[in-house]
Amino acid sequence: DTAVSQTPKYLVTQMGNDKSIKCEQNLGHDTMYWYKQDSKKFLKIMFSYNNKELIINETVPNRFSPKSPDKAHLNLHINSLELGDSAVYFCASSRAGSGANVLTFGAGSRLTVL
Amino acid sequence: GNSVTQMEGPVTLSEEAFLTINCTYTATGYPSLFWYVQYPGEGLQLLLKATKADDKGSNKGFEATYRKETTSFHLEKGSVQVSDSAVYFCALRDDSWGKLQFGAGTQVVVTP
Repeated sequence: DTAVSQTPKYLVTQMGNDKSIKCEQNLGHDTMYWYKQDSKKFLKIMFSYNNKELIINETVPNRFSPKSPDKAHLNLHINSLELGDSAVYFCASSRAGSGANVLTFGAGSRLTVL
Repeated sequence: GNSVTQMEGPVTLSEEAFLTINCTYTATGYPSLFWYVQYPGEGLQLLLKATKADDKGSNKGFEATYRKETTSFHLEKGSVQVSDSAVYFCALRDDSWGKLQFGAGTQVVVTP
């Protein structure tokens, strides 16, 4: 059983399109995250939700909108895709509080914008 | 603000060689420190962690000691294997919500 699963694993699309990436965790964690990894492997947090409530919202274009229907799911919707959005997007989850020390990551979703 | 600086890669080693990856940090207070590893085509996995000064984290033959006086958390392994080829990320946690600040990552390539 995959602890943190993301779909799709690969996504190739044209500029201007809208796309979504879905994430689900079966660990019973309260907190979920989206990280972006660029072509140089640099990782940066985008968003975090705790029990469906947004708690971290880094400086990200408002074309990116996270949605958490319940604490086991955190989806990422991207409008009007741009070339610079090409990256690997990682979902992660953790317990809240001191348990947030340890993040469990999904395998990543590689987005390529043409 | 807080930041993490790692040595640049790639680091290329022969099997059974000694590995050191330097990591230094800048932070207010006393953050928790981590090493995560990313194998090709996979997500990141926690390798080890230390939550206070002088703590030593260890796992799978890797070790790192939280040095407050030098603000460092260097990763070491005495004898690497080809299976250790991966990208290694040093990170610190600077708040209670698990917001990790990552270093740029260091690619390690171990040849037979």
